[in-house]
Formats: sequence, structure tokens, C-alpha cells
Amino acid sequence: DTEVTQTPKHLVMGMTNKKSLKCEQHMGHRAMYWYKQKAKKPPELMFVYSYEKLSINESVPSRFSPECPNSSLLNLHLHALQPEDSALYLCASSQELRSPSYEQYFGPGTRLTVT
Amino acid sequence: GNSVTQMEGPVTLSEEAFLTINCTYTATGYPSLFWYVQYPGEGLQLLLKATKADDKGSNKGFEATYRKETTSFHLEKGSVQVSDSAVYFCALSDFAGGTSYGKLTFGQGTILTVHP
Repeated sequence: DTEVTQTPKHLVMGMTNKKSLKCEQHMGHRAMYWYKQKAKKPPELMFVYSYEKLSINESVPSRFSPECPNSSLLNLHLHALQPEDSALYLCASSQELRSPSYEQYFGPGTRLTVT
Repeated sequence: GNSVTQMEGPVTLSEEAFLTINCTYTATGYPSLFWYVQYPGEGLQLLLKATKADDKGSNKGFEATYRKETTSFHLEKGSVQVSDSAVYFCALSDFAGGTSYGKLTFGQGTILTVHP
């Protein structure tokens, strides 16, 4: 099973709301990632977790807060977002971080609209 | 730093035509190379990969060969179908910026449209 699942598929939120995006994988992968993708652009890396610890934060604003409750789950908590944060948010996982040859498997994404 | 350059699109082909999407890269180390495909409204799917020079990745009729001498990883398919219409991303993974992990660097993506 090479599936990464994400919920919800679509999310509309106001600028004062708090919401969370969820990601799950059951491949035994120990590295998990959050990406943001704007229309017609490649994904931009936001966060990387390795063995449930935050390894990389690509200077993401604090209104985005990641969490890795266990090795299969990854959350992205959203608070006080701006309209320019509207995008497709992709979760990915890979076997681990230590080798560049490990491919990343992507979920279907959550389409976020901030009103 | 690392970078990936893909041929600009969009690319429009008739069904059963031959496809080439050019991809060249710049890397400080010895990267692994990937092609990902994104169908409308979906996430990215790994199409194929190659991890060392002269490796050929292949999947679903698509092929790409890791050419170190020309720093290229061109995607080819002999006969495209309407269902191949999607955005194709070339990417490399390498230890970048002193990090201890393989960060994915993507090209800008090439939109492919195949007409019946």
C-alpha cells in the first residue's frame, strides 16, 4: 500500500477561524512533509518531520503550526490565515531522510480557501 | 545551489504522438532524479526515478535516462494517450545547503494536453 491520505479534501475558512488539516500514511515511513502548492506552480516545502521530530521549518509564518502525534499521522493547524494562504496543501512521506534516493509519496491534497 | 529546468509548455499533442519533455539540472552533489505527474485536481504521483548515472527509469510506457555528462533526465513516451494529459514535474533530491536530508527541488512543470 503506497497511499497517503489527507482530510478534508476541501476547506473554506474565514481569517479568524482555527482549523486543522490531517494526513495519514501506513507505509512505515519515518519522514513526513507538508507542502504548499499554488496554481500552475511546483510544490513549495513548508515542514519536514523525521522520526516524529520537526527537522525543517522553511521559514513558515507562525499561523501554520505542524504536529506529528505519531509515526503515521501529521497535522497542520491553521489560525488567522490570510487570503494569500489559499492553495493546495500537500502531505508527503518517504522511508526516511538520510538518503536522497528515497522517493516521496504524495497525498491528494487539501484545497484551502481563505475568505 | 540546486536547480531544475524543464522545457516550457504547454505541450499539445495528438493521440499516439511521440512525447519528449526536456529536463536539465544543476546540482552540487550526486542527486537522485524523479519525474512526478499531477492529474487535474489531484496530488503528485511518482512516475519514475533514477538514482545513478545511466540508470533508466520506466513506468506506464514512460522512460527517462539519467545522463550525468549532459546533466539531463528527459522524459519520453512513444505513443501518448488522452489520459496522459496532466502536469509533469522533473525533480532532483540531493543534500542541499548543508542539510542532512534529500530535499526535493522541482522544475516549473510542463502542462501536457493530448487531443483525440
